[in-house]
Amino acid sequence: DTAVSQTPKYLVTQMGNDKSIKCEQNLGHDTMYWYKQDSKKFLKIMFSYNNKELIINETVPNRFSPKSPDKAHLNLHINSLELGDSAVYFCASRAGTMSYGYTFGSGTRLTVV
Amino acid sequence: SQKIEQNSEALNIQEGKTATLTCNYTNYSPAYLQWYRQDPGRGPVFLLLIRENEKEKRKERLKVTFDTTLKQSLFHITASQPADSATYLCALERGSGGGADGLTFGKGTHLIIQP
Repeated sequence: DTAVSQTPKYLVTQMGNDKSIKCEQNLGHDTMYWYKQDSKKFLKIMFSYNNKELIINETVPNRFSPKSPDKAHLNLHINSLELGDSAVYFCASRAGTMSYGYTFGSGTRLTVV
Repeated sequence: SQKIEQNSEALNIQEGKTATLTCNYTNYSPAYLQWYRQDPGRGPVFLLLIRENEKEKRKERLKVTFDTTLKQSLFHITASQPADSATYLCALERGSGGGADGLTFGKGTHLIIQP
């Protein structure tokens, strides 16, 4: 009964490859996010979707493309992977109003070699 | 630009004492402030949310204060235990509408409770 689940948990791949990370939430939340946590443990927002609609796209290279097939899913596709993309990527979701906390997935550790 | 600062990268506290973590922010007028806990290899876990019109909020051994004049929040863990050892993150909502803009996080304070 995991609330926000991400797959895979670990991803090791070579430079130049294309990879996807999947995220699903079973909480009925309206809004989903992708965050990146770098080697210094700093968490930074990448994208936010509300009811399948892109709301926020931070200064992320266009090699990163989120896709939301429905309200419960938000996948992240990365093209032409670079060494600097190595990080932990977290999916999160939240109910519609600002008075609730966010629920995070357990993260996907991406290592580009 | 908007900034969130947490007072120290690491904090060592003896078991049983009260741990106090500080979060300061600039160029925000937040309606809410949140605290999260993150353990190694895990995602952040929501702990408490405090509104701008609330001075203090408690949950079991946790207490959060919010001073919008000082632009500061204090996070207290009373009767601390080794199991409280983790990184604690302060977060504010970005933007002003609806919350779809997501959170901005501080860099976190790594709390170590020593037996």
